[in-house]
Amino acid sequence: SQTIHQWPATLVQPVGSPLSLECTVEGTSNPNLYWYRQAAGRGLQLLFYSVGIGQISSEVPQNLSASRPQDRQFILSSKKLLLSDSGFYLCAWVNPRGTEAFFGQGTRLTVV
Amino acid sequence: ILNVEQSPQSLHVQEGDSTNFTCSFPSSNFYALHWYRWETAKSPEALFVMTLNGDEKKKGRISATLNTKEGYSYLYIKGSQPEDSATYLCAFRGGTYKYIFGTGTRLKVLA
Repeated sequence: SQTIHQWPATLVQPVGSPLSLECTVEGTSNPNLYWYRQAAGRGLQLLFYSVGIGQISSEVPQNLSASRPQDRQFILSSKKLLLSDSGFYLCAWVNPRGTEAFFGQGTRLTVV
Repeated sequence: ILNVEQSPQSLHVQEGDSTNFTCSFPSSNFYALHWYRWETAKSPEALFVMTLNGDEKKKGRISATLNTKEGYSYLYIKGSQPEDSATYLCAFRGGTYKYIFGTGTRLKVLA
């Protein structure tokens, strides 16, 4: 069965520092992968999705970027964090038909 | 822009009341609609996956219906309990690869 590993679970970073959150998937190949963010008091907003190696689609303009260097690896990055980047970040795998979805444990990021 | 809207935004009910929420999504190019129970800063807990127009699913006191032609789904909770307090999310998968969460309904069940 599919498993999603996402780390770290919590992170406190100063403003202006870089960010790298990693998500890896086991138990499937060529997964469709997604990054979401929950900002304070809001729902889960889609940030990026990827349907294959090197293929990244961005949903909203922001201070973040994503990369898919390997089939089962999806990375969320920032060169310089802003206070507004604080939030809960969630990685997900959804099967091509959209009938199954699995989630990582999430990362709670606090930018100070 | 693909919008998935939920209403109401928040809801307070008394223990024992029955309640329902709505998820509205695009009616074209439908693949699947998911319902989740979600607590802030945690992974969503899957409730239902719905794929066919007219689908009705049930798990205990919670049930859901789906109308893909008009683009809505209802989630029902019968005899609400305090432990049902959470945010309920729907998620829509259409013809693109986007998997979009709704805006959520925050339910508070008062004892």
